[in-house]
Amino acid sequence: GAVVSQHPSWVICKSGTSVKIECRSLDFQATTMFWYRQFPKQSLMLMATSNEGSKATYEQGVEKDKFLINHASLTLSTLTVTSAHPEDSSFYICSAREGQDTEAFFGQGTRLTVV
Amino acid sequence: QKEVEQDPGPLSVPEGAIVSLNCTYSNSAFQYFMWYRQYSRKGPELLMYTYSSGNKEDGRFTAQVDKSSKYISLFIRDSQPSDSATYLCAMSNTGNQFYFGTGTSLTVIP
Repeated sequence: GAVVSQHPSWVICKSGTSVKIECRSLDFQATTMFWYRQFPKQSLMLMATSNEGSKATYEQGVEKDKFLINHASLTLSTLTVTSAHPEDSSFYICSAREGQDTEAFFGQGTRLTVV
Repeated sequence: QKEVEQDPGPLSVPEGAIVSLNCTYSNSAFQYFMWYRQYSRKGPELLMYTYSSGNKEDGRFTAQVDKSSKYISLFIRDSQPSDSATYLCAMSNTGNQFYFGTGTSLTVIP
C-alpha cells in the first residue's frame, strides 16, 4: 500500500509552547489529508479535513485557532498545536487519500505529551 | 444511532482459529468499505478496501460486504499471535468523509 510518513512519532513539550506535526505522502499525491485525535482504547476522532491549497474544514468543537492546519502541497500537511496544554496530550494521526473515491492511508501517529 | 456500529470486544481466540469481525451501518449511501489493523501506539494499517457488495480475499483475510443488510465482515483464517491488534472498520460514500467503527480488540493466544 501507499506510504504516509508522520513526524515526529512522539514529542514532549512544555505547557504554553507550540508543536508542529508533519504528515507526508511519500509515493502518491494526496489531494486530501485528514487529521485525527485518538484517546486510549477509543476510536479515531476526526479533527479536520484539508484539501491541497484550501483552508481546512474543522469538525464541530475543534478550535481552528488552536489546531492550525496547513496543506501547502500535494505531499505535505502540517498540524500545529498552539499554546499547548496538558489536556492536549493525545495521539494524533494523519491520513491521506489520492482521490475522492480512493482508500485512505494512515501515518504512524504522533504521541504528544504536554507537561 | 451511530453511523457505524462495531462490537469493541475484547475477542480472544486460540492460534489457528478463524476470526470473524463485523460492523453494521445505517447509511445506505456508503459504497466504499475498509478494514484497518491498529497495533498499540501505532497508526492504522489498511488491510482491505472494497467497493460495493461482494467478497474480496487477500491471503488469510477475506472481506465481505452485504449492502442489503448493511453489514460488513472481515474473516481471518489460521489466526496468528501477530494478528493481535485492534481492527477498525471504516466506510464512506462519494464524499470526503470517512466513518469509523470503535474498533474490536483481538487477542490470538499461542
